[in-house]
Amino acid sequence: ETGVTQSPTHLIKTRGQQVTLRCSSQSGHNTVSWYQQALGQGPQFIFQYYREEENGRGNFPPRFSGLQFPNYSSELNVNALELDDSALYLCASRKTTGPGPAGELFFGEGSRLTVL
Amino acid sequence: AQSVTQPDIHITVSEGASLELRCNYSYGATPYLFWYVQSPGQGLQLLLKYFSGDTLVQGIKGFEAEFKRSQSSFNLRKPSVHWSDAAEYFCAVGAGYSSASKIIFGSGTRLSIRP
Repeated sequence: ETGVTQSPTHLIKTRGQQVTLRCSSQSGHNTVSWYQQALGQGPQFIFQYYREEENGRGNFPPRFSGLQFPNYSSELNVNALELDDSALYLCASRKTTGPGPAGELFFGEGSRLTVL
Repeated sequence: AQSVTQPDIHITVSEGASLELRCNYSYGATPYLFWYVQSPGQGLQLLLKYFSGDTLVQGIKGFEAEFKRSQSSFNLRKPSVHWSDAAEYFCAVGAGYSSASKIIFGSGTRLSIRP
């Protein structure tokens, strides 16, 4: 069983640029959540995708956007990068079978973004 | 909206000593509660979870947690810590009962182990 994989692991961008981070879900998982973790902080919920639709969003501006593909892989896009966007971006997946509690999330090791 | 508070930013305990990490949640209905651990530069690994039933749950690596509804708490415990337990620990609450249910994390407690 393949776990959650993220790419790239590290990247450096300059202010104003755009970035795309990628995530492959664990096999059999149909829900992907993205989190931003600033240094010394807990993961902050960005948004969640289920069956290729965004079905939950945290307190992040519209320049944070995403996609989920038919194979349940996902992308996080951030436009007009700001210095405060420097963080570890975590992707997590789970299997949703319908109405029910949020089950266990399985995390990738993250993409560390530095904005200069 | 749900929220999680971890009041201790940093805790240091001696190797072999007992450990308790505190977690308080805010949620109007029955919460689903989790503890995750994060080693430096790594993703998060689930230690244990509570959905319903027995309020004392056992997890991996010898950890346990007790759900106390009256105190809105879900504290993590270990009877004897090992140097390898040094890491960041996050409490999380899941809310909602639909495909849109999401998991919200606390700010974490950093655990250091004194030799």
